[in-house]
Amino acid sequence: DTGVSQDPRHKITKRGQNVTFRCDPISEHNRLYWYRQTLGQGPEFLTYFQNEAQLEKSRLLSDRFSAERPKGSFSTLEIQRTEQGDSAMYLCASSFRQVHEQFFGPGTRLTVL
Amino acid sequence: GEDVEQSLFLSVREGDSSVINCTYTDSSSTYLYWYKQEPGAGLQLLTYIFSNMDMKQDQRLTVLLNKKDKHLSLRIADTQTGDSAIYFCASPRGAGSYQLTFGKGTKLSVIP
Repeated sequence: DTGVSQDPRHKITKRGQNVTFRCDPISEHNRLYWYRQTLGQGPEFLTYFQNEAQLEKSRLLSDRFSAERPKGSFSTLEIQRTEQGDSAMYLCASSFRQVHEQFFGPGTRLTVL
Repeated sequence: GEDVEQSLFLSVREGDSSVINCTYTDSSSTYLYWYKQEPGAGLQLLTYIFSNMDMKQDQRLTVLLNKKDKHLSLRIADTQTGDSAIYFCASPRGAGSYQLTFGKGTKLSVIP
């Protein structure tokens, strides 16, 4: 068990570009979560999948954000037309069936210039 | 107002006990969590407490829950320099929700 992994760890992009992040949850974890963390703040919930179904979405998830988990394993988070305000750490977490604990990956740090 | 509130900074001497406090608003929370975040890293689940418990002890960690006052605390005994990190309190947003609401975090600095 290698834990939750995220790729890339760092991404620098110019305003207006699209970016995509990947999250690989712990094997057999059926729940997957995306959070965003800005400097000096705690993580803020973005969205949650149970298997391939997206069950909860925060109002923070604007139309420019889309997340998928097509086969119920890895997930991608895409941000279109990035803005400077999108600069943050994007964290992924996973949990197993009825077990409530969420285990976090190392995050992808996005910098929008 | 904030759903989960924490004091932002705590400084202790190595070997002393640290107490990090948190208040929350959602009384339907079934579990309450403490996470640790080291610089540049993701969050590590330290411990949690079920809402029908008053106290939980796990090695050097003691969690106290006062449901009446909606107050949660984390005590770290014999604090070490490796405990220096940011500690987050988190609660689910409503019964049955998997959405965690986090406080802003308490930065613990351990003085050698």
